[in-house]
Amino acid sequence: TQLLEQSPQFLSIQEGENLTVYCNSSSVFSSLQWYRQEPGEGPVLLVTVVTGGEVKKLKRLTFQFGDARKDSSLHITAAQPGDTGLYLCAGDNFNKFYFGSGTKLNVKP
Amino acid sequence: NAGVTQTPKFRILKIGQSMTLQCTQDMNHNYMYWYRQDPGMGLKLIYYSVGAGITDKGEVPNGYNVSRSTTEDFPLRLELAAPSQTSVYFCASRAPGLAEQETQYFGPGTRLLVL
Repeated sequence: TQLLEQSPQFLSIQEGENLTVYCNSSSVFSSLQWYRQEPGEGPVLLVTVVTGGEVKKLKRLTFQFGDARKDSSLHITAAQPGDTGLYLCAGDNFNKFYFGSGTKLNVKP
Repeated sequence: NAGVTQTPKFRILKIGQSMTLQCTQDMNHNYMYWYRQDPGMGLKLIYYSVGAGITDKGEVPNGYNVSRSTTEDFPLRLELAAPSQTSVYFCASRAPGLAEQETQYFGPGTRLLVL
């Protein structure tokens, strides 16, 4: 089993604060994906990172893939209540996806 | 396009009963996946398929079976339901290509309660 560990598990912050979510593994993945999931719905893809050291930005969200392609981080600048949800990372190992346990984010207005 | 559709949305099963969770996609994707998600947790891969007639096990295949007779459909069969199979089941599909351009599309999920 290829374990992906996410931290923190829960995060409750005020609107306007910055935060970082981490996704770590002992395994190397060909790519890593970040999803956001809202209650009662399926996950929705935010970004895919492929190259070690890669940084991708999506508005206020910044994603980084570790140099060794084993870990990743998601940084949110000036969080808004609309960012509330479960954030999941998933590693791609030859078309099989392994998900982390998720970070539940609550942004209070 | 409807995307990925799943039926039923919710089901209660008694221990030992069997059922089939249906999944259909209309995007002509080769790859399809079945995941389960326990409360407050991430998703675990049950089975996946890279094309019609080809299936393979994921992380947690025990107690489940799949078939892939067409590109569109990927049903998941539960035999002899157990309380440990209480979960939300998600089906997903994707078209292979450049990794950074790929998107895995998820269905709305099927909530299963085994009592």
